[in-house]
Amino acid sequence: AQTVTQSQPEMSVQEAETVTLSCTYDTSENNYYLFWYKQPPSRQMILVIRQEAYKQQNATENRFSVNFQKAAKSFSLKISDSQLGDTAMYFCAFSIYNQGGKLIFGQGTELSVKP
Amino acid sequence: NAGVTQTPKFRVLKTGQSMTLLCAQDMNHEYMYWYRQDPGMGLRLIHYSVGEGTTAKGEVPDGYNVSRLKKQNFLLGLESAAPSQTSVYFCASRKDSTYGYTFGSGTRLTVV
Repeated sequence: AQTVTQSQPEMSVQEAETVTLSCTYDTSENNYYLFWYKQPPSRQMILVIRQEAYKQQNATENRFSVNFQKAAKSFSLKISDSQLGDTAMYFCAFSIYNQGGKLIFGQGTELSVKP
Repeated sequence: NAGVTQTPKFRVLKTGQSMTLLCAQDMNHEYMYWYRQDPGMGLRLIHYSVGEGTTAKGEVPDGYNVSRLKKQNFLLGLESAAPSQTSVYFCASRKDSTYGYTFGSGTRLTVV
């Protein structure tokens, strides 16, 4: 079975500090894509960052970066210089290439950024 | 460019009633999906479509039906609503399997 596990249901961080959200996944496939999505209280799902499994270089988007460890099937998200607007639910997800593009989501981590 | 539009945004149904949720996208995306979101369970795939006229079952398809008669629209139907279908429903679309999803803003459905 293909699964995604986020072992931290809730986390908090002080404004301007760095926080890392954990994610592990399980698949026997070799070609897949990994994503982090943010869901603020508005409920809108927002793509934070995307990583192709065939790329060894970790993806970065401004203050957001990932630590992708393919052998360990680990895909953590690091948020640097945390801002109040980063307060949200964060979902890790992956999709297998050429399997209908279905996204498989983790349970989510609720992040609170405190002033 | 509206992206993905879901209607309605909120709905309350009585047990046994039926309804249809509409998802419309204006990006000419091939792939479309319906998810439900429940506390502590993330988003789970109900049904999806890889092109006009096609549909396929996802992880939790029971109690739901879908249709994709036009490329831009993906309809989710509940024939006989049950309290277990109380959830937030998200529609999403995707250009192809290498791209991220574009999500709608969700529909909060309560079945009493």
